[in-house]
Amino acid sequence: DIVMTQSPLSLPVTPGEPASISCRSSQTLLLSNGYNYLDWYLQKPGQSPQLLIYLGSNRASGVPDRFSGSGSGTDFTLKISRVEAEDVGVYYCMGTLEPFTFGGGTKVEI
Amino acid sequence: QVQLRESGPGLVKPSETLSLTCTVSGDSISPHYWSWIRQPPGKGLEWIGYIYYNGHTNYKPSLKSRVTISLDTSQNHFSLKLSSVTAADTAVYYCARQTRLVLGSSAESFDYWGQGTLVTVSS
Repeated sequence: DIVMTQSPLSLPVTPGEPASISCRSSQTLLLSNGYNYLDWYLQKPGQSPQLLIYLGSNRASGVPDRFSGSGSGTDFTLKISRVEAEDVGVYYCMGTLEPFTFGGGTKVEI
Repeated sequence: QVQLRESGPGLVKPSETLSLTCTVSGDSISPHYWSWIRQPPGKGLEWIGYIYYNGHTNYKPSLKSRVTISLDTSQNHFSLKLSSVTAADTAVYYCARQTRLVLGSSAESFDYWGQGTLVTVSS
């Protein structure tokens, strides 16, 4: 199975400031079709996870443009340009090659 | 609006079989993939397996010997059975819909999730 490693485990943030989360996979997630098979999810406190970014850099429907995903192959980054209070929660990266595997999560708190 | 709702016993005895159902509303079971994902208390997410509307399944290798996912298109629901449970299987269990968001790729993302149901394994 592909192992997904996130850092940091915990990320204190300040509203209005940028934030960045890293995700590394044990095998490349870049396929010959040119797509990176990597999603980002946010689990807000007491809620189910929600899709933020798919295929490495595409924002899901309704996701604010302050969220962006980048990277390719085995190294990926989720960036929040200006953190808002509603962005707190645990962020997970997930490789979408089967069997699906999640990173350990990064807890973002103000 | 697509909604998923998990249902089933919240308490299962060790060595017995955990059984959950996910009822889908606002969408048809076909032509999607449908997954089960779990989250032990205070821990991260673990994909368990999926079923396609035609009945094709795929399971996480380490759980494969204990997992069965099935579906009932007439009832618009799919189910999870996990046998020989232990305390390590205590978790919130989520069902989720997979959708191919870019036609040119084969990647599937979890775009709708249920609210989750806590299953505790204890005697």
